[in-house]
Amino acid sequence: GAVVSQHPSRVICKSGTSVKIECRSLDFQATTMFWYRQFPKQSLMLMATSNEGSKATYEQGVEKDKFLINHASLTLSTLTVTSAHPEDSSFYICSASPRRGPVETQYFGPGTRLLVL
Amino acid sequence: AQKITQTQPGMFVQEKEAVTLDCTYDTSDQSYGLFWYKQPSSGEMIFLIYQGSYDEQNATEGRYSLNFQKARKSANLVISASQLGDSAMYFCAMREGFSSNTGKLIFGQGTTLQVKP
Repeated sequence: GAVVSQHPSRVICKSGTSVKIECRSLDFQATTMFWYRQFPKQSLMLMATSNEGSKATYEQGVEKDKFLINHASLTLSTLTVTSAHPEDSSFYICSASPRRGPVETQYFGPGTRLLVL
Repeated sequence: AQKITQTQPGMFVQEKEAVTLDCTYDTSDQSYGLFWYKQPSSGEMIFLIYQGSYDEQNATEGRYSLNFQKARKSANLVISASQLGDSAMYFCAMREGFSSNTGKLIFGQGTTLQVKP
């Protein structure tokens, strides 16, 4: 099946630093990618929708200056957590929809665990 | 606005027995898609099954079936012949519109299933 990768899988950083997370569709082109955030034992909360070549659409309550999203190509979207703080510690998951794929196809990456000290 | 509700935070089932995980949804759209995902402790999101709002037959995928009751706005997941490897968190999700795979998914709170040997 289609593969979506995320890098890094796990990152620990100091408070105040910025962290970049990459989401790549390895064997298909994705016009749309999504970024989710998940706290332990909780649901996935959509942060933003990323479309190739245009600005991301953020969900209500998500700070666009805090969580910078860039969808530079049809296979890569990046999420940068700027000036990270301990409350940003979470599991970040991306998903990607193949261009002109069947309606049920939205493939998830393996996730990135961020710990801010 | 869309809403997905999973009222069972945790469920137990004996190995080899069937189990039903509940999911109700709310939407004003006539066209939508319903999904079930499995999330083991590793964090990856595994797609299980999809049901379109206009599909007349309940979706089935191996040991998974979706009991779609449109009038009641429910989309329960039935897992037959439970296996120890089925122990995981299960999420119900909905996407408005069913002709494209680029719409955002809204997730329920999740149900943790534990299969007992």
